[in-house]
Amino acid sequence: AQKVTQAQTEISVVEKEDVTLDCVYETRDTTYYLFWYKQPPSGELVFLIRRNSFDEQNEISGRYSWNFQKSTSSFNFTITASQVVDSAVYFCALSEWGSARQLTFGSGTQLTVLP
Amino acid sequence: ETGVTQTPRHLVMGMTNKKSLKCEQHLGHNAMYWYKQSAKKPLELMFVYSLEERVENNSVPSRFSPECPNSSHLFLHLHTLQPEDSALYLCASSQVASGGTNEQFFGPGTRLTVL
Repeated sequence: AQKVTQAQTEISVVEKEDVTLDCVYETRDTTYYLFWYKQPPSGELVFLIRRNSFDEQNEISGRYSWNFQKSTSSFNFTITASQVVDSAVYFCALSEWGSARQLTFGSGTQLTVLP
Repeated sequence: ETGVTQTPRHLVMGMTNKKSLKCEQHLGHNAMYWYKQSAKKPLELMFVYSLEERVENNSVPSRFSPECPNSSHLFLHLHTLQPEDSALYLCASSQVASGGTNEQFFGPGTRLTVL
């Protein structure tokens, strides 16, 4: 069975601080996908990134960066120089290769960025 | 309209009512999903329609009934709900291809309150 754990329920930081959101996953599959989504107060989940299990290269997109460590089954998300608009719930998710059905979400991390 | 739309955005219903949630995707995708998001819980996948095949979570009560008349529209019919069914119901769509899983795009959700 697949499982995604986001141990940080809530995080508060002051604007311009860096913050890392942790994600640890469990799967028996050798190939899989990992995702991060952002859910602002409006409710809509916004897709941020998809990572294939065979691609461990870290990725940077503006102030966002992702660190995929297959050896520790972790896919952490760092926001550099956080802004108030980054305040949201962030979800990590896992899906098996070749299936539309098995998108397993973590419980989410509520990030609050204070001005 | 672009992306994934959902109507209504808010719904209050009694336990004896019958109502329907509507979802429409304008992305040309071939798979659609219903999720339930309750407070303090991970997103729960309820139903998937992928390539005209329906897949459901066996734990979803029969008082929830999905309908997918075509690849762009998805409905969730509700009848004799319970107060614990109050939640945010999210619709998503994705493009499913052999050998890969693409990211899901979400609608803004319907906030359902059952009295």
